[in-house]
Amino acid sequence: EAQVTQNPRYLITVTGKKLTVTCSQNMNHEYMSWYRQDPGLGLRQIYYSMNVEVTDKGDVPEGYKVSRKEKRNFPLILESPSPNQTSLYFCASSIRRLFTDTQYFGPGTRLTVL
Amino acid sequence: DAKTTQPPSMDCAEGRAANLPCNHSTISGNEYVYWYRQIHSQGPQYIIHGLKNNETNEMASLIITEDRKSSTLILPHATLRDTAVYYCIVRVPGGSNYKLTFGKGTLLTVNP
Repeated sequence: EAQVTQNPRYLITVTGKKLTVTCSQNMNHEYMSWYRQDPGLGLRQIYYSMNVEVTDKGDVPEGYKVSRKEKRNFPLILESPSPNQTSLYFCASSIRRLFTDTQYFGPGTRLTVL
Repeated sequence: DAKTTQPPSMDCAEGRAANLPCNHSTISGNEYVYWYRQIHSQGPQYIIHGLKNNETNEMASLIITEDRKSSTLILPHATLRDTAVYYCIVRVPGGSNYKLTFGKGTLLTVNP
């Protein structure tokens, strides 16, 4: 089954404790992206990647890092989490094809930073 | 990406067709109309997209007016599981580095 998976689905952590949220897709998609969703602010893009070893900042990259060493994986790293990073996070992927860029989203990771 | 306007909420009876409108009067010639939905706190889900012709797939139909300034998403037989926020997005495929910009959308509530 074509899907985007994220782990963990729920995480409660404390300020300053490094964490990684994994994202993996099995559709051989070139494009992957991370969004965060907060009440009243909608979905905001954190980072994106056009292909392996190609990443770039989205609208709200501060406090986050990413890497794209393999096509299928795009982990989101919080080196020193802070309470304002408490949010619902979604990973997405898409094929890069002319006139179509249907995006597939993961189930989400709900992060709470105390 | 062109701006879109959607009603904040709509109700529909289970088994009936749900017709969700979207206005996009500033759409440009190379922009497509996309629809996604988000069931409570789940990842957004792609529904359908189109340029100017009406489109249909296993989930829904998309009707785009001839002047392309508005469109309607039709769920032909709504079920309780279709209760979700529906987002109409107008964009050039691959534009904005593939970033999707979601507005406030329409909360569709399907009632038994």
